Amino acid sequence: GQQLNQSPQSMFIQEGEDVSMNCTSSSIFNTWLWYKQDPGEGPVLLIALYKAGELTSNGRLTAQFGITRKDSFLNISASIPSDVGIYFCAGILYGGSQGNLIFGKGTKLSVKP
Amino acid sequence: DAGVIQSPRHEVTEMGQEVTLRCKPISGHNSLFWYRQTMMRGLELLIYFNNNVPIDDSGMPEDRFSAKMPNASFSTLKIQPSEPRDSAVYFCASSPDYDPGYNEQFFGPGTRLTVL
Repeated sequence: GQQLNQSPQSMFIQEGEDVSMNCTSSSIFNTWLWYKQDPGEGPVLLIALYKAGELTSNGRLTAQFGITRKDSFLNISASIPSDVGIYFCAGILYGGSQGNLIFGKGTKLSVKP
Repeated sequence: DAGVIQSPRHEVTEMGQEVTLRCKPISGHNSLFWYRQTMMRGLELLIYFNNNVPIDDSGMPEDRFSAKMPNASFSTLKIQPSEPRDSAVYFCASSPDYDPGYNEQFFGPGTRLTVL
């Protein structure tokens, strides 16, 4: 099946630092979504992107839909301890089933106070 | 606003037993999705419904798995008979629209299933 390559797999950073993670694919996507999952909970939607080149912010979070439509990145500025969790990218393939959201393997973020 | 509701939150059962997981989507949402999450395979779509009709069940692992959506506010995922390799966290998600360009899915808290 189609795969999203999400990197890095894990990050250990100091509180206050900026964070960047990305997803890439060899396929073209129509939609990119970024989720955060806390332990024992379901993924929570952070940002949704629908157009190539789109740059969207949500507080300290910023995400972009790559121009080639094959990648997306998520940046977190001035990280705080509650940013800890697993971040997932997810996308819907161009020409694919509209309900078929493909997930990356996640980036586990740890923040040292 | 109530989010997606799933029950039970935890289920421990023995191999061979029937397991039924339940989901109530967000009111007004017309698409519902069932996912399975494991360490090895991550989040995988099992099946999704639009307006209570199954649209794509290609992710359902085998005939032991079945899902129903008898009305807009309720869905079940059943495993019969259950096997230890079915142990995972099962998520239900719903989406307000099925049109291209609007695909935001909202997840429930999940059911952690352990099959002994």
